[in-house]
Amino acid sequence: SQQGEEDPQALSIQEGENATMNCSYKTSINNLQWYRQNSGRGLVHLILIRSNEREKHSGRLRVTLDTSKKSSSLLITASRAADTASYFCATGLTGGGNKLTFGTGTQLKVEL
Amino acid sequence: EAGVTQSPTHLIKTRGQQVTLRCSPISGHTSVYWYQQALGLGLQFLLWYDEGEERNRGNFPPRFSGRQFPNYSSELNVNALELEDSALYLCASSQFGVNTEAFFGQGTRLTVV
Repeated sequence: SQQGEEDPQALSIQEGENATMNCSYKTSINNLQWYRQNSGRGLVHLILIRSNEREKHSGRLRVTLDTSKKSSSLLITASRAADTASYFCATGLTGGGNKLTFGTGTQLKVEL
Repeated sequence: EAGVTQSPTHLIKTRGQQVTLRCSPISGHTSVYWYQQALGLGLQFLLWYDEGEERNRGNFPPRFSGRQFPNYSSELNVNALELEDSALYLCASSQFGVNTEAFFGQGTRLTVV
């Protein structure tokens, strides 16, 4: 079963614009991780945010976490065509060790 | 530093056959996880191994099994293949413990005909 739901399911923007993806989850978590997947291949790890953190940055990526609303967002600033991919959030559930439960993913298309 | 490596990259099997997929974790990682990504079903957790022991298992039938070797590499075995087993099988590794990053391999694309 899926832990999280991502919104939107698909997003199309122009190069240079910002892209925001949202992830909601249902149960208590230790952490939330964001991944990128290109063309059905392996997942690339983007960022991990712990349950006691509210915001993290990595290059053009900004992740926020609101545990009271059980939601997270991923912001990609100044998007590039190479950012075109599917983006997934994955939660490490409390009591679940480091097993991750994935959301449904957002397909991002960045057009030139 | 080498990432998570999986073999083979692609595989075609006939319904009813058996298949073994292999995964080598990042050096220093003791935990290995297996996920199935079937078309339209998202990423589903299959198995988690650490220090040679099965730590957790997803909601899959017993014909999905695996093991972890002393060097922390892992195998996923699927017996009596069914058409719906066609999927991308992804392996990930991490250090043991909470709040450790999990890194994925490129996956094995299994097609059952």
